[in-house]
Amino acid sequence: KAGVTQTPRYLIKTRGQQVTLSCSPISGHRSVSWYQQTPGQGLQFLFEYFSETQRNKGNFPGRFSGRQFSNSRSEMNVSTLELGDSALYLCASSFYLDRPYEQYFGPGTRLTVT
Amino acid sequence: GDSVTQMEGPVTLSEEAFLTINCTYTATGYPSLFWYVQYPGEGLQLLLKATKADDKGSNKGFEATYRKETTSFHLEKGSVQVSDSAVYFCALSAPSAGGTSYGKLTFGQGTILTVHP
Repeated sequence: KAGVTQTPRYLIKTRGQQVTLSCSPISGHRSVSWYQQTPGQGLQFLFEYFSETQRNKGNFPGRFSGRQFSNSRSEMNVSTLELGDSALYLCASSFYLDRPYEQYFGPGTRLTVT
Repeated sequence: GDSVTQMEGPVTLSEEAFLTINCTYTATGYPSLFWYVQYPGEGLQLLLKATKADDKGSNKGFEATYRKETTSFHLEKGSVQVSDSAVYFCALSAPSAGGTSYGKLTFGQGTILTVHP
């Protein structure tokens, strides 16, 4: 079974631009979560989608948004990019609706904002 | 809120040495606990998990026991290999307010492990 895929793997954007990242979950998984990884803040939860609905959201500004499609694929969007948005963005998918809620991660998208 | 604290690294060991990485947590309710490993340039891989008190998760020679009384989930391996060099993350999953979602993992800061031949 193919793992979680994320595209693109690397991205360079300029401050003020917007960016869209894509995540395809493992076949059969209906829940997708997004995380931001930086050296200073570590791994931080952005949001979770299940059946096209956002079920949980982390403490990020409204410039960070996401959505999920009927085939469970998910996108996240960052508008008005800031230098501090440079990070590895990780997507994770899960099959289960409740515990133990194992999440399987993709390789990430490395975003650099200049 | 929920939080996870890992021992500070980096940890440097010789091959075949014993490994312990400490992890303690704070959570409301009854979380599930995980260890993830991240190799350079890659995403996170689930290493092991435990869902209730005294559960022992194990995989690839690594073990961790869910200790509710000490709110701990320490990672151990009896004999490390050079290939174990990576960053290790302890994490918990607890229900959101309202109990509708377990989709948020709260991570520790990560521990860099380097194993020398």
